[in-house]
Amino acid sequence: EDKVVQSPLSLVVHEGDTVTLNCSYEVTNFRSLLWYKQEKKAPTFLFMLTSSGIEKKSGRLSSILDKKELFSILNITATQTGDSAIYLCAVPTMDSNYQLIWGAGTKLIIKP
Amino acid sequence: SQTIHQWPATLVQPVGSPLSLECTVEGTSNPNLYWYRQAAGRGLQLLFYSVGIGQISSEVPQNLSASRPQDRQFILSSKKLLLSDSGFYLCAWTPTRVSSKLFFGSGTQLSVL
Repeated sequence: EDKVVQSPLSLVVHEGDTVTLNCSYEVTNFRSLLWYKQEKKAPTFLFMLTSSGIEKKSGRLSSILDKKELFSILNITATQTGDSAIYLCAVPTMDSNYQLIWGAGTKLIIKP
Repeated sequence: SQTIHQWPATLVQPVGSPLSLECTVEGTSNPNLYWYRQAAGRGLQLLFYSVGIGQISSEVPQNLSASRPQDRQFILSSKKLLLSDSGFYLCAWTPTRVSSKLFFGSGTQLSVL
């Protein structure tokens, strides 16, 4: 059965710290992995990763995929209180691109 | 630019009452449309998706139904709500027929009492 597992489920750090969020997957015929940030309501897209070892970067956020070990990490450096959110990871299923398998998310809290 | 509208933002309904949540997309045509439910501490559960007018695929057998009366309109309904229908409902769309990148509406927090 296809699955996506995120860890940790929750994390509390202080402003300025660096955090690493993990997403491991078991999916037949892997094609891509997506990261989303959900602050209060609508999840917003962060990254789509398809190739192993190539880092995607946006400001203080970066992500990388390891297709051999079947996981991805999301790094946030110099965290700010505005980074507090739920970070979601998802992988398309084998059957089509219509359906994503979602991890349970990591709830990140940044304390001032 | 494309936008997605979902309403209402919050809804409190008694058990046994009907439900209608609406979602519309602007600035695009022929989108794939989705309804998700998110339970606290859990990932997103796909409820329905649609690749065209009148075409609905159900992923989870339940008390809910969906309809797509127009190209950019997606409606989530129930004839009689259950307590277990409470949750956060999200509408989403993808800009092409083969795309994993979802764009979400702002969500509806439904409380069934």
